[in-house]
Amino acid sequence: GQQVQQSPASLVLQEGENAELQCNFSSTATQLQWFYQSPGGSLVSLLSNPSGTKHTGRLTSTTVTKERRSSLHISSSQTTDSGTYLCAIDPYQGGRALIFGTGTTVSVSP
Amino acid sequence: NTKITQSPRYLILGRANKSLECEQHLGHNAMYWYKQSAEKPPELMFLYNLKQLIRNETVPSRFIPECPDSSKLLLHISAVDPEDSAVYFCASSHGTASGNTLYFGEGSRLIVV
Repeated sequence: GQQVQQSPASLVLQEGENAELQCNFSSTATQLQWFYQSPGGSLVSLLSNPSGTKHTGRLTSTTVTKERRSSLHISSSQTTDSGTYLCAIDPYQGGRALIFGTGTTVSVSP
Repeated sequence: NTKITQSPRYLILGRANKSLECEQHLGHNAMYWYKQSAEKPPELMFLYNLKQLIRNETVPSRFIPECPDSSKLLLHISAVDPEDSAVYFCASSHGTASGNTLYFGEGSRLIVV
C-alpha cells in the first residue's frame, strides 16, 4: 500500500527558531500537499507542491519527486505555529484521494 | 471556515442510527468523507465527483454515503460500533485532477458509548 512517512514525530521550539519537517513517500505522487491542523481543529492547506520549491509567508516547501521526498521549512517560528503538520500525497492518476502521513507535532514556546 | 459546514459538530451515540451532513458553498464538484481516529491521520472513506461515487474505500457497510446534489454530502451511520468513535471530516475540491486544493470542514466528532 501507499506509505507516507513524516519526521520528526514531534518538535519543540523556542519562538524565533527555524524548523525543518520531512516527508518521504514510497510511490510516485502526482500531487503533494502540506496541511496544518490545530489541536482539536480542522485541516488547512498550506502549500501544494508536487515538485520544486514554493514559498508562502514564512513557509518554504521543497519537493524532490525523483527521490520521493518533500520538506517544509518554517522560519522564525511563532507560538501560533504550534499544531500538527501533515503531508499528503495523491498517488492515483486523475484521482484526488489524498493519503496522509502521520504528521509532525510542533510546539513553540515563548 | 464557514464555506464548508458540517452538522452536527458533536454527537454521542449508543447503538443508534444517525446521519452526518455537509454542505459546501465553494461551487466545487468533488466532495469527500474522511475519518480521523485519535492520534491518527485522516483516512479517506468516500469520494464523490459530480454526484457520482468514484472511489469507495473499504469501510464497514454500516456507513452509507449519499450525495443529493453537488454541494451536499451525507453520511448515514447505522448501529455504530465503539471503533467508529472519531472525527468525520467533509472536504471538497474543484475537481479530481491533480493540482486541485482540498478544503476541509470543521468536522463532526462522534463519540460512541
